[in-house]
Parts: sequence; C-alpha cells; structure tokens
Amino acid sequence: GAVVSQHPSWVICKSGTSVKIECRSLDFQATTMFWYRQFPKQSLMLMATSNEGSKATYEQGVEKDKFLINHASLTLSTLTVTSAHPEDSSFYICSARDLRTSGGQFAQYFGPGTRLLVL
Amino acid sequence: DQQVKQNSPSLSVQEGRISILNCDYTNSMFDYFLWYKKYPAEGPTFLISISSIKDKNEDGRFTVFLNKSAKHLSLHIVPSQPGDSAVYFCAASPLYNQGGKLIFGQGTELSVKP
Repeated sequence: GAVVSQHPSWVICKSGTSVKIECRSLDFQATTMFWYRQFPKQSLMLMATSNEGSKATYEQGVEKDKFLINHASLTLSTLTVTSAHPEDSSFYICSARDLRTSGGQFAQYFGPGTRLLVL
Repeated sequence: DQQVKQNSPSLSVQEGRISILNCDYTNSMFDYFLWYKKYPAEGPTFLISISSIKDKNEDGRFTVFLNKSAKHLSLHIVPSQPGDSAVYFCAASPLYNQGGKLIFGQGTELSVKP
C-alpha cells in the first residue's frame, strides 16, 4: 500500500523556537496533502490543505502565520510551527491523497505522526 | 459543530464475535465515507471506504454499511480478533468539493478480549 513518512517522529523544543515537520509520500505522488493535529483522547482536527505549487488552504481558526505550510514537490510537504508555545504541544499528523485508485474513489494515507512538546 | 459523531467512546467484544462500530453524520453534502484504525502514537491506517451511491462495501472481515436516509454508517468486523483492538475513526468527505478533505468523528476504542 501507499506509504507516507514523517520526520521527526518526536521533538522537544523551547518556547519561542520554530519547528519544521516534514511529510513525504514515498511511493506515489501527492498533489494534495493534509495536516492534522490530535489532542489526547480527541479526534483528528484538520488544520490545512497543502496543494503542490500553490498556497495552502487553512481551516477556520488556524493561524496561517503560526503554522507555515510549504508543498515544494509532489512528494514533500512541510509544516513549520513558528514561535512555538506550550499550547502548541500536540500530535501532528499529515496525510497524502492517492489518486491512483480506480472508480473515482480515493483514500488518504497517513504518516506516523510527530509528537511535539514545547517547554 | 460536530458534523461526524461516534457516540460510543469505547466498545468491548469477545474474540470471535462481531464488532459493530457506529457513526452518524449531519452534513448531507458528504458523499464519501471512510473508516480508519489507529494505534496510540501512530497515524491512522485506512481500512475501508464507501461512496454514497452504495449501501454496502465488504473487504474480508470488514463490512461497511451506509444508510443515507438516516445519515448513519457502521463498520462490522467479523470475526473479531485481539489484534483488532485499537481506536476506530470514521471520516466523511464532500468528495467533489473542497479538495476531498476529511472530517473525522471522535473515535471508538475497540477492545477485543481473548
């Protein structure tokens, strides 16, 4: 099946620093990638849709200047948490949309997630 | 506004029996539905999907049923195995709109006991 990787898998940083998280589709091309965050025992909340070659589309309530998204190629999207604060501590998960499935159907394949802890 | 709801936060089932996980949605624009399985500290794994033109889709031990009039879908796992123990999320998408983004339910934690 389709494989999506994320790097790093976990990161601890000081308040005020910026953290970059990479999301890669390893065996397929993804014109669209999605970024989610998940708090403990809660659902996955969509933060933004990352489109290759164009600006990301952010969900309501998500600060675009705080969470910078760059989709530089068909296999790579990055999320940068700028000036991170303790409330940004969360589990960040990316997904990539695989358009290869037949019949007009599609599925999103998720990365393993990145645990961010801001001290 | 929770557009996709999984009202049972947990479910416990005996090995070999059927597991039924339920999901309700409110947005009539959703026309594609997916089920994902998730272990702690890992990303969700795609299980099975169904489009709104169907009412049933089967893949091995997993079957998804869709009742559009009731805005309800369910995932049946039979027979259940201890390795099925995980959190299951249903997700919905307005397939032909908004770039195919997914809206997730809160998840149901399934525990299959030997």
